[in-house]
Amino acid sequence: EADIYQTPRYLVIGTGKKITLECSQTMGHDKMYWYQQDPGMELHLIHYSYGVNSTEKGDLSSESTVSRIRTEHFPLTLESARPSHTSQYLCASSQPNPGTGYTSYEQYFGPGTRLTVT
Amino acid sequence: KNQVEQSPQSLIILEGKNCTLQCNYTVSPFSNLRWYKQDTGRGPVSLTIMTFSENTKSNGRYTATLDADTKQSSLHITASQLSDSASYICVVSDRGSTLGRLYFGRGTQLTVWP
Repeated sequence: EADIYQTPRYLVIGTGKKITLECSQTMGHDKMYWYQQDPGMELHLIHYSYGVNSTEKGDLSSESTVSRIRTEHFPLTLESARPSHTSQYLCASSQPNPGTGYTSYEQYFGPGTRLTVT
Repeated sequence: KNQVEQSPQSLIILEGKNCTLQCNYTVSPFSNLRWYKQDTGRGPVSLTIMTFSENTKSNGRYTATLDADTKQSSLHITASQLSDSASYICVVSDRGSTLGRLYFGRGTQLTVWP
């Protein structure tokens, strides 16, 4: 099992609150990702990072922001939570797959944070 | 448009039976195809990863096949167990960037009954 952790696992919060979802990995991976997943739907990439001080927006527009000050830590912040932010948020990290070449990055996922905004 | 389509959307089988899940994709240029297992409330866990030159790969009771010509893959589960109940997600990576951009299917929800 991969060494990637997310806290909290579940969060219920009121509209307008500021929240930070934590993600950390102990594998020394440079690349890290945040995905959003609604029930029965595919994962959507919302943020990614190539390494320290590198952050990029993903395919799905998100009002959240991320930071990457340390290799092992990739927190996601919502300044003002809204009911539309209710979803599951999955963090992942990756390294090249030695058996398939540098473009075949194996991604390891954390357990996810289930966010409910009331 | 790069897409990954999975079928069926959901499947119920009895414990001990075999089943096959399907994945069709339009991702180009193709790099690799992965199958992930996602338990309810958990993150996806990789089962197999196949490149263009591989047409079958096994991981215990899971066997994945890939036909790069028809852009189809299947995941065959043998002698199903209750713990196989999960969502199985097909993921295709393109070769166009060092990010290793992944395209996700919506998954097949498998339920194994005793």
